[in-house]
Amino acid sequence: QSVLTQPPSVSGAPGQRVTISCIGSSSNIGAGYDVQWYQQRLGTAPKVLIYGNHNRPSGVPDRFSASKSGTSASLAITGLQAEDEADYYCQSYDSSLWVFGGGTKLTVL
Amino acid sequence: EVELVESGGGLVQPGESLRLSCAASGFTVSNNYMSWVRQAPGKGLEWVSVIYSGGYTYYVDSVKGRFTISRDTSKNTLYLQMSGLRSEDTAVYFCATVGHSGADPNHYYDSWGQGTLVTVSS
Repeated sequence: QSVLTQPPSVSGAPGQRVTISCIGSSSNIGAGYDVQWYQQRLGTAPKVLIYGNHNRPSGVPDRFSASKSGTSASLAITGLQAEDEADYYCQSYDSSLWVFGGGTKLTVL
Repeated sequence: EVELVESGGGLVQPGESLRLSCAASGFTVSNNYMSWVRQAPGKGLEWVSVIYSGGYTYYVDSVKGRFTISRDTSKNTLYLQMSGLRSEDTAVYFCATVGHSGADPNHYYDSWGQGTLVTVSS
């Protein structure tokens, strides 16, 4: 059981907007620790999409955005494309260790 | 350009040891924070260990006392020495550079290697 809870799966049609939630607690997100988001396409290494709650590394399209509020965070993807089909993970810090959410599989219909 | 190349994975029996290597190029390992993250087959990501530029090391509880993270400045390489391996250690092990979104411990994993598979089975 991850201390950061994500929905196992989400789906959307091309062009649509989807959101992925990451629910934490007062010992991680709620304690003020930053949230990061990663994309992992099948058979490849993860790639950071968002760091520091809402910052995009260079090269990440602005279709990807994220926010944080209280003990939860969310990733939004607009203008969904076939290439966005992947697993998505949130990550933060909790009680002396770095933690990931369980991951969300995004299916583009 | 940052590049990380892991090696050293393989099939071992429970209780045996293995050393993973992560050869880096495009930056200096010893000047950066570096981590190992693993992913069991079909499962999610799990942080394993970090080494700070100053040498401090941290581990997830499940590997404390069994795994040791280290680096070789002359080879610009990160290592993970694993001993007392268990079936639950079976995973792809990734090395990653650690970025900072703020002061410690606000870390994120910036550049990743391709991973090396460790299988622990009798």
